[in-house]
Amino acid sequence: DAKTTQPNSMESNEEEPVHLPCNHSTISGTDYIHWYRQLPSQGPEYVIHGLTSNVNNRMASLAIAEDRKSSTLILHRATLRDAAVYYCIGGEGGGADGLTFGKGTHLIIQP
Amino acid sequence: DGGITQSPKYLFRKEGQNVTLSCEQNLNHDAMYWYRQDPGQGLRLIYYSQIVNDFQKGDIAEGYSVSREKKESFPLTVTSAQKNPTAFYLCASRGAIVGRAEAFFGQGTRLTVV
Repeated sequence: DAKTTQPNSMESNEEEPVHLPCNHSTISGTDYIHWYRQLPSQGPEYVIHGLTSNVNNRMASLAIAEDRKSSTLILHRATLRDAAVYYCIGGEGGGADGLTFGKGTHLIIQP
Repeated sequence: DGGITQSPKYLFRKEGQNVTLSCEQNLNHDAMYWYRQDPGQGLRLIYYSQIVNDFQKGDIAEGYSVSREKKESFPLTVTSAQKNPTAFYLCASRGAIVGRAEAFFGQGTRLTVV
């Protein structure tokens, strides 16, 4: 998996958009970019993944830079339930090796 | 409901004892994984299996053992050789189709060795 760099923590206000950045400058051309989040004392939960194009789903949007060296997870309207550790992972999209989780970004949502 | 189940949620063991953590999935996934998480840290891969009767070591396999006799089950044994076994253990499964890369995680087992 590609090495990723994320800020240790970020803070945002409830009902405002949140942009979580991730740098993955060593990503290969076939590596997908995955995002997971983990609430306290729970297993990680899939958020979104993409390869080259921007992606949207019911939870979030993923904006991928044209050179694929960075990406941004966008939560359009943060709620208190979005407070979690968010992990950005660059890796192959199949089911072979396990995904490599770094320390992620601890997102704090203020009411 | 489809999903991945770990049991028990909390486990206490005396030092020097082996202990087995259960992981079962009904998602028909070929690939299954065990991770360890220490406080404030990310997840580290212990073992993974891509198919029944086959498994590979991850980054921190020493002191652990696994088996994969059935597609649905991937139990992890924490042996007495593991020097610092107290941690949060997470099991995951994943489909093998390229592009369909979502991994499903169990709720974890918190192991405390006293």
